[in-house]
Parts: sequence; C-alpha cells; structure tokens
Amino acid sequence: DVQLLESGGGLVQPGGSLRLSCAASGFTFSDSIMSWVRQAPGKGLEWVSTITANSGSTYYAGSVKGRFTISRDNSKNTLYVQMNSLRAEDTALYYCARCRVQTSGWCNWFDPWGQGTLVTVSS
Amino acid sequence: DIVLTQSPLSLPVTPGEPASMSCRSSQSLLSSEGYNYLNWYLQKPGQSPQVLIYLGSNRASGVPDRFSGSGSGTDFTLKISRVEAEDVGVYYCMQGRQAPLTFGGGTKVEIK
Repeated sequence: DVQLLESGGGLVQPGGSLRLSCAASGFTFSDSIMSWVRQAPGKGLEWVSTITANSGSTYYAGSVKGRFTISRDNSKNTLYVQMNSLRAEDTALYYCARCRVQTSGWCNWFDPWGQGTLVTVSS
Repeated sequence: DIVLTQSPLSLPVTPGEPASMSCRSSQSLLSSEGYNYLNWYLQKPGQSPQVLIYLGSNRASGVPDRFSGSGSGTDFTLKISRVEAEDVGVYYCMQGRQAPLTFGGGTKVEIK
C-alpha cells in the first residue's frame, strides 16, 4: 500500500521555525515528484511547494517563497519542509502528496495524500 | 496565476438522484499534447482529499463508475449519476497545467 505519514507539526510562536517530515512507503520514492499542500482551518486547499525526484528543481507558492524550504532524502524515503519566519496565516493542516505526471514532467495531479500534520502559529 | 471558479458553493442532493457541479478556469487547461490538466478531488468529512478524476475525464483507481468528468479548455463538469450517502463532502477541482498549482474554492455536497 502506498502510504505517506506526516509529522513535526505543533504550536509555534510568530517568527518561529518548524520542520515537517513526510515518511513515504509502498512506492519508489526516489522516482517521484513530491509536494506539500496546506489547508487552513475551515478553508480550502492551497499548494505550498514541489520538489523534483532528484531535488534538482524546487517550486514555491508566492505566500511562502523565501521562508519555506522543501527538501528530500531519497535514502530515507522522506520529504521535508523547513518553515521559518512563521506567521499566523501559516496556521494550517499540512499534507504531503505524491505527484503524478503525464507527459509534461510537471506535477499534474496528487495521489495519494497523507493524513496531514497540524501547524498552529500563535503567541 | 490560473484561477478556478467552482459552482455551486453548496449542493443539496437526494440519494439516488444525479448531481452535477462545475469548474471554470481563467486560462485554458488543454495542452498541446491534447491533455486537459484538470483534476477533481473529494474531501470527505475529517479525511484527506482523494483523487476522483484526473486529466479531465479519467477515473482514478477504485473510484466508482457513477463519477464522471467532462469538459475541455476552460469549462469542466463533474457528474455523479446516482448520489449515495457516502458521497458527501467537499469537491475540489485543481489545475495541474502550470505553477502555481491552484484549486477551486470547493463545492460542498450534502444530503437533503
């Protein structure tokens, strides 16, 4: 079974930092483009970041660019996001998701998603 | 950025009856290879989103055939031929054509 298990969420003060992890199993992680997507409480879905299989390219939403860094360790089948300078508006459930690709080599859709880890930014 | 507009916001449904919802894109999602990079997800209450339809009209593995996706370019539709109680939740469309990846605001399906 393909599984994604996020961890590392918690309560952090504004301006603080947090690193989330996503442990993958059941598929060839090193061949997969991976992403983070978040969902603020009671709100819709927002793409956060994507990283290619060999970490050669990374992409960020404008709202997190310069503050978040996506990375991966293919030897550990684990995806990360380092979140710095956190703001109240970063409060959300953070999902990791495997990207599925058609012909463009880009992240065309997500399948599957993890169960999410909650990040709360508050003083 | 590509903006996706979903309608209606809320969709009360009767079990056994059909249901339909729309997703409109601010830019064409049709690629030169002929693929429509529009996907549909269902987020059931308390759960993570799950893909229903990818590339406009392809049902994901394990998705019942009562779900179908159609459309091309900028206008897309998700149809449920006969709604079941387990279909309640929020349906999101998402474009995979270009960065930033974007989602529609969602259509909430609830039983009448």
